[in-house]
Amino acid sequence: GAVVSQHPSWVICKSGTSVKIECRSLDFQATTMFWYRQFPKQSLMLMATSNEGSKATYEQGVEKDKFLINHASLTLSTLTVTSAHPEDSSFYICSARVWQDNSPLHFGNGTRLTVT
Amino acid sequence: AQSVTQLDSHVSVSEGTPVLLRCNYSSSYSPSLFWYVQHPNKGLQLLLKYTSAATLVKGINGFEAEFKKSETSFHLTKPSAHMSDAAEYFCVVSGRANTGNQFYFGTGTSLTVIP
Repeated sequence: GAVVSQHPSWVICKSGTSVKIECRSLDFQATTMFWYRQFPKQSLMLMATSNEGSKATYEQGVEKDKFLINHASLTLSTLTVTSAHPEDSSFYICSARVWQDNSPLHFGNGTRLTVT
Repeated sequence: AQSVTQLDSHVSVSEGTPVLLRCNYSSSYSPSLFWYVQHPNKGLQLLLKYTSAATLVKGINGFEAEFKKSETSFHLTKPSAHMSDAAEYFCVVSGRANTGNQFYFGTGTSLTVIP
């Protein structure tokens, strides 16, 4: 149980285009989803927290107009990287959890974004 | 405030020997603690979690961890390393659910297993 599916697993796009990444909780309802960015050999950097039906909360330094997050249902959140540039190339990971005491995070398999 | 420190950025062991990955935490509340493993270009997989029940927690793939409040530690161990254990490991601490969705990640420990 507690499977999170993230698509695509990798994507290559041209500079200036937009890319959408999907994160789905397959067998549970995720009240909260998180989006992370991970640089090589580093830990995860939290970008934003999204609760179903409300606006995402972005971490300091993360551009909300560039990284659009939508959490329209209890099983789906999307991250859209708008007007992508080479510096946006990275590994993006989503996670989801149920709002209850001590529930862990369940992670997707990540998306490798390369902007050319 | 909460934080987590993974004391070793890299650990190297021989196949068949014990594994010890160290984690210390700081928390103003009774914490929940987790260990995750990440293989290259993959997401994080939950190995085990501590949530104020038994202090010795058994997880998947033969891993276990012991919560020691007096030492504020939650070290991950495995009696015998396997080649497939080579990966990045993250210790994570979180507060009570009613304190919000706050999860704090360690900087990770890279485990190398030598054949």
